[in-house]
Amino acid sequence: RKEVEQDPGPFNVPEGATVAFNCTYSNSASQSFFWYRQDCRKEPKLLMSVYSSGNEDGRFTAQLNRASQYISLLIRDSKLSDSATYLCVVPRGRGGGNKLTFGTGTQLKVEL
Amino acid sequence: DAGVIQSPRHEVTEMGQEVTLRCKPISGHNSLFWYRQTMMRGLELLIYFNNNVPIDDSGMPEDRFSAKMPNASFSTLKIQPSEPRDSAVYFCASSPGQGGEQYFGPGTRLTVT
Repeated sequence: RKEVEQDPGPFNVPEGATVAFNCTYSNSASQSFFWYRQDCRKEPKLLMSVYSSGNEDGRFTAQLNRASQYISLLIRDSKLSDSATYLCVVPRGRGGGNKLTFGTGTQLKVEL
Repeated sequence: DAGVIQSPRHEVTEMGQEVTLRCKPISGHNSLFWYRQTMMRGLELLIYFNNNVPIDDSGMPEDRFSAKMPNASFSTLKIQPSEPRDSAVYFCASSPGQGGEQYFGPGTRLTVT
């Protein structure tokens, strides 16, 4: 299994739809996980952190399934401005530390 | 507050030339990272520093790449000599400590012809 694996997409959804992305990881010792967002030709920015079973922030919900080693990101009532690439991020090694492994990203396109 | 600052934003150079990329991390952050992003390989960690000390440079592709952090507010990534396959976006990021909250600069888009 790759360190971090994501479906590259693109996911094309209409405005207002609910969309979910999954990400699988190989390091069973990882304690924390992250979703970053990257707009076209811009830098990645932290979207959400996941330290336990999940986290919710407005329209965004991140969930963690340790047994199956996957993380999901759910976006409700999607907006045009949600169009971006979503990167799943997992710390490397036991305990994590500073080193992160970034997935290659899932591209989301929200359309009228 | 100023975020991570990188310069130049764009660099076009000829094969064989030396390239120096610069980064100023967020004040107070004690970890600094250099990444490279390409379509083929995604975002790759090249090297990271903790309190100005290089901790892990295992991602540096070749001896042509070198990085320094002479003080807490400045770091450079140098490529000498540059090759066309070095063309990519190079990001610098800083972090206040342990964990996954890294703050990225706008990147330097490098094209080597």
